[in-house]
Formats: sequence, structure tokens, C-alpha cells
Amino acid sequence: GAGVSQSPRYKVAKRGQDVALRCDPISGHVSLFWYQQALGQGPEFLTYFQNEAQLDKSGLPSDRFFAERPEGSVSTLKIQRTQQEDSAVYLCASSPRGTGELFFGEGSRLTVL
Amino acid sequence: QKEVEQDPGPLSVPEGAIVSLNCTYSNSAFQYFMWYRQYSRKGPELLMYTYSSGNKEDGRFTAQVDKSSKYISLFIRDSQPSDSATYLCASSGGYNKLIFGAGTRLAVHP
Repeated sequence: GAGVSQSPRYKVAKRGQDVALRCDPISGHVSLFWYQQALGQGPEFLTYFQNEAQLDKSGLPSDRFFAERPEGSVSTLKIQRTQQEDSAVYLCASSPRGTGELFFGEGSRLTVL
Repeated sequence: QKEVEQDPGPLSVPEGAIVSLNCTYSNSAFQYFMWYRQYSRKGPELLMYTYSSGNKEDGRFTAQVDKSSKYISLFIRDSQPSDSATYLCASSGGYNKLIFGAGTRLAVHP
């Protein structure tokens, strides 16, 4: 399809495991964002890329969280040594250059046991 | 205090009612204001996008921004059961970071 694609849609991890979440943005979209959405809350900003450059990572909650977008297209959010408080939906969004309109994927729901 | 505050509801209305959803924000630098709709287990989808103050209308939806009072509103006319969802307001000062409210859950019953 033409939308933002995220995988896996659902991930269950044991506490302490590493996880990797993938985002495939809309073709041609320069900007890519990761957000974290806890149950019953609005999305919280994690990080922002313009092409391959990570311009803002101020929302990453700890150094266990790492994001990359090496070729300016697909992005991966990696969480090391997962904790129960990492349980949330991780949303990826992309945006064309010069607008603030974000197009979201359906999210990756992470449950840490 | 969060930069964008939104009453989480839930809000329950009969079909055909006019719905009013509201947010306040604290950052005077915010220039972009948006409303997103989120169905259960789906990603948010953009409904309305406004730059600076004023009104914007799109079909049954009207967005209002009052920068003097830092108040954002979304009105839904002739509400339908298919409008049942969580509505998220969001603001930003530029293109690189949207700040979302907590979302208001709306239920429109037949």
C-alpha cells in the first residue's frame, strides 16, 4: 500500500530482551518520526529524522533506546534490555518536506512481561 | 503541566448532536494546530490542520484556534456513529515535533 508500514504489529518480549521495530515510510517523505503511546494517553515524541540525519532525539527515555535511518528511508527503533515500563504502542509517522502534516502507521504494540 | 492539555472524557452523545472538543496549550511559540482521529488499535489520522489563529471548515468538521487565549476547538456537526473514536489535538512551533494532548474518547450512539 501507499501508507506508512510498521512491523511487527505485535511483539511480546521478556524483560531484559532486545527488540527492534521497523518503519517503512511513505515513498519520498523526507521526515520521519517515532512516537510512544501509552494506554489511554496521547502519543509522546521520541525522535525525528530528516533523511538519514537524526535531528532531534530529545524524547528518547533512556540510552536503552536507539533509532536509525541509515539510507534515509526505512527506520528501525531498537530497545535494549526491555523493561515493563517500555510496554506501549510505538508509532512511526512520515511527512513530506515543508509541511507539518504527519502520516502515521498503525503502530507496533510492545508488551514486556 | 503538560504543554497541551485535553479533557480525556469520555464523551457520549446521540447521533445528530453537535460535538465540541477542546484543548489548551501553554507554549506561545506554537503556530501549527492539528486534530487527529484515532480508531481503536489504529494509528492517528489527520483530520484538520490550521496555521495560526482562525477557523477552518471541512464538511461536518470545523477547527478553531484562538491564540490570545491559547485555546483549540474542534466542532463536529450532525455526528454519526462512525465518528466514535479518540480525538487528539496537537500543536507545534515548527515542522519537527508535534505535542499531543491525551485525547478525548467520543462515543456517538444511534
